[in-house]
Amino acid sequence: QVQLQESGPGLVKPSQTLSLTCTVSGGSLSSGTYYWTWIRQPAGKGLEWIGRISTSGSTNYNPSLKSRVTISVDTSKNQFSLKLSSVTAADTAVYYCATYQLLLRTFGYWGQGTLVTVSS
Amino acid sequence: QSALAQPASVSGSPGQSITISCTGTSSDVGGYNYVSWYQQNPGKAPKLMIHDVSNRPSGISNRFSGSKSGNTASLTISGLQAEDEADYYCSSYTSSSTWVFGGGTKLTVL
Repeated sequence: QVQLQESGPGLVKPSQTLSLTCTVSGGSLSSGTYYWTWIRQPAGKGLEWIGRISTSGSTNYNPSLKSRVTISVDTSKNQFSLKLSSVTAADTAVYYCATYQLLLRTFGYWGQGTLVTVSS
Repeated sequence: QSALAQPASVSGSPGQSITISCTGTSSDVGGYNYVSWYQQNPGKAPKLMIHDVSNRPSGISNRFSGSKSGNTASLTISGLQAEDEADYYCSSYTSSSTWVFGGGTKLTVL
């Protein structure tokens, strides 16, 4: 069973870059079975898909965030990462990493989530 | 991309059935059978309940069922139990090769 764990700063200043890492265990980032995905949820609000990366390195991003988002993968560490630039208070949210399972066409495994607050 | 439309809240008594709708467009819900439903308890990550419109993963109670008609998908929970009280979200693949979630529905078991 794949397990995911997010890590990174819990506090980021406005205009800076938010950086998070997701460490994968119980599965390989080299596996073609998944897309590696980031999803966020502001407090009291719904889920928002941020973007995904495949094992080949191809990416797709939410159009509303595309200009600010970069998702990358480090197969040697079995980790994938999220960078979101020029953050504002509106980017304050719980950030989840998750797997998109290609055979089931769904987000099957989720990390526990990490709260990132944007504040000076 | 706009969030899929879900009712903000639904409620039901134990033993009853409830249905949560998820309305999109022909570019997402109506165009693909890639609709999923997730249950989220407070402070927890979402949990997959239904995938591919109507398929239950192993371990999910058969009280949970999904369907789709046109641009609207639905999640039905039968034999409502107190433990079903949670937030529920739908998601769909889109024609832009992205994914979109619904705004979420709070289920209250009376």
